[in-house]
Amino acid sequence: QVQLVQSGAEVRKPGASVKVSCKASGFTFNDYIIHWVRQAPGQSLEWMGWIAPGDGATRYSQKFQGRVTFTRDTSASAAYMELSSLRSEDTAVFYCARQFKTGTLWSAFDIWGQGTLVTVSS
Amino acid sequence: QSALTQPASVSGSPGQSITISCTGTSSDVGGYNLVSWYQQHPGKAPEVMIYDDSKRPSGVSDRFSGSKSDNTASLTISGLQAEDEAEYYCFSYAGSSSWVFGGGTKLTVL
Repeated sequence: QVQLVQSGAEVRKPGASVKVSCKASGFTFNDYIIHWVRQAPGQSLEWMGWIAPGDGATRYSQKFQGRVTFTRDTSASAAYMELSSLRSEDTAVFYCARQFKTGTLWSAFDIWGQGTLVTVSS
Repeated sequence: QSALTQPASVSGSPGQSITISCTGTSSDVGGYNLVSWYQQHPGKAPEVMIYDDSKRPSGVSDRFSGSKSDNTASLTISGLQAEDEAEYYCFSYAGSSSWVFGGGTKLTVL
């Protein structure tokens, strides 16, 4: 079954860091790009960036640049998102999503993880 | 990178058609044929309804269609059904390997 399974909910204090995992199964991990998306409670989807598992290339949204790091473990078919210097406004559900290609261009997200709730509270 | 502009809400009665707009610039929506649309029900992960401006994934109802004119993309849902009530987001390539979402539109089926 083609799926992305994320790690469970986390609670952190302001200033701390959190690392969320996204484990792929049912497809060739290296053939796709994994994006990360944040959704604060009652708010819209927000693009954070992507990682290409094949070569480890990354691209971060300017909003998160310097505070977020994407990594991957190809042997485990897993991608990771680490967000540091957490503040209360980072309380959100974080999703990973698989991006597919149409022809030679990267297109849309066809598989999403179930989401991971990160709560930042003192 | 600013979010793409969508109406906050739209509504329609069962059987009617509605259209949701997504306005960007020539640097994102208007510059590439890479707009996709996502449906999100409360508490669920989003699901792709349209990709590459107007293509429909297999399994998505043909009541959903996408189009684009200049810097504005549109999602049209015909024959509205109660199950279509959800939040809808557009998403576009914005150049330099970056991407951007719209602010989301809440669809209410009256």
